[in-house]
Amino acid sequence: DAGITQSPRHKVTETGTPVTLRCHQTENHRYMYWYRQDPGHGLRLIHYSYGVKDTDKGEVSDGYSVSRSKTEDFLLTLESATSSQTSVYFCALQPHSGNTIYFGEGSWLTVV
Amino acid sequence: GDSVTQMEGPVTLSEEAFLTINCTYTATGYPSLFWYVQYPGEGLQLLLKATKADDKGSNKGFEATYRKETTSFHLEKGSVQVSDSAVYFCALSSGGTSYDKVIFGPGTSLSVIP
Repeated sequence: DAGITQSPRHKVTETGTPVTLRCHQTENHRYMYWYRQDPGHGLRLIHYSYGVKDTDKGEVSDGYSVSRSKTEDFLLTLESATSSQTSVYFCALQPHSGNTIYFGEGSWLTVV
Repeated sequence: GDSVTQMEGPVTLSEEAFLTINCTYTATGYPSLFWYVQYPGEGLQLLLKATKADDKGSNKGFEATYRKETTSFHLEKGSVQVSDSAVYFCALSSGGTSYDKVIFGPGTSLSVIP
């Protein structure tokens, strides 16, 4: 158990509204990631973080922003949600040493 | 660049059948290799890993051997159960701890029928 909690687990929102997904960890790991998973596309990286206030873009970052003000929390924000952002979002983290990535249980987001 | 190729399926097997899911990779250097499993409605879980050539990772009856000469890491299980129905992802990491070295395959869906 890597101690990852995602919230909310399920959300329905309207087009154009802002949405924030939270990833919380209890293990003090340095590296954290946000992925989205869609049929036919597998896992795609949105943003990642190497530490507090240290973030960078992944392959599908348009329309998303992130913040990491504390080691334990990594927030993903959709500034103005669109239907194309309907997806399952996974947070993941990576311990200080080694390169195994551990995933949270996912957040199902529907934009109507 | 680095890449992972795996059979996409879906794969359908009867209970107690032998399972093989093929995974091949392209990478510079000496990557670590992983198999992750995703059960319906859940996140990905690490199933097994191997960090150097000829290593065998094993867990829950699943095995995979790191074959550098064939750049492969095929997943096998001798007798599958209905509870093994899931999506399986092959992945590689080219070392260090930076994300951009971690590559996932597209996933292989497995259904096991009684």
